[in-house]
Amino acid sequence: GENVEQHPSTLSVQEGDSAVIKCTYSDSASNYFPWYKQELGKRPQLIIDIRSNVGEKKDQRIAVTLNKTAKHFSLHITETQPEDSAVYFCARIKGGNKLTFGTGTQLKVEL
Amino acid sequence: DTEVTQTPKHLVMGMTNKKSLKCEQHMGHRAMYWYKQKAKKPPELMFVYSYEKLSINESVPSRFSPECPNSSLLNLHLHALQPEDSALYLCASSQDLTEEMSYSNQPQHFGDGTRLSIL
Repeated sequence: GENVEQHPSTLSVQEGDSAVIKCTYSDSASNYFPWYKQELGKRPQLIIDIRSNVGEKKDQRIAVTLNKTAKHFSLHITETQPEDSAVYFCARIKGGNKLTFGTGTQLKVEL
Repeated sequence: DTEVTQTPKHLVMGMTNKKSLKCEQHMGHRAMYWYKQKAKKPPELMFVYSYEKLSINESVPSRFSPECPNSSLLNLHLHALQPEDSALYLCASSQDLTEEMSYSNQPQHFGDGTRLSIL
């Protein structure tokens, strides 16, 4: 029960549209859920995170929702821009410092 | 700019060489990590140091040897690596709270990585 499933693996949207990436986990003890953006050849960059006592969090064009009952969480990007193109990883920690990543989503924002 | 600094950025080495990867942070973080990332895959945890002590080893082969000389530095010593060890090696750090304060689950901040190629 340590895997994190992430969908879709690739996502192509038109500039200005919204993008949604979904992740599911199986361990109910998971209590911290960060999202990372990784551009080609660069480091994973933390873009938003949410803790298990919160259902939703928003930061400008980025929002994350968490459904603890269903064990899934989602990243929402509104008004997408070409610079949003990257690989996005969801992740979770159930305790301590061990971070488990999802399989990644390649987002492409087309002009 | 990244606050976790890794050197070198690129490293090419033969299977018989000994080399070291270095990581440094000055954010006062007391937890530091090594991850391995293959192309088109997520980072995979290798080691976790908490308060300069090794707390997690994800069954990493002994040809990888971590070291935490002080709270700001983390090294990864490499010896007799295999071609399949070629990857991006990422260092990360986070705040860490004592057990009395319960596990913290603090954000992890990554360095730019070392691109390692084994000939």
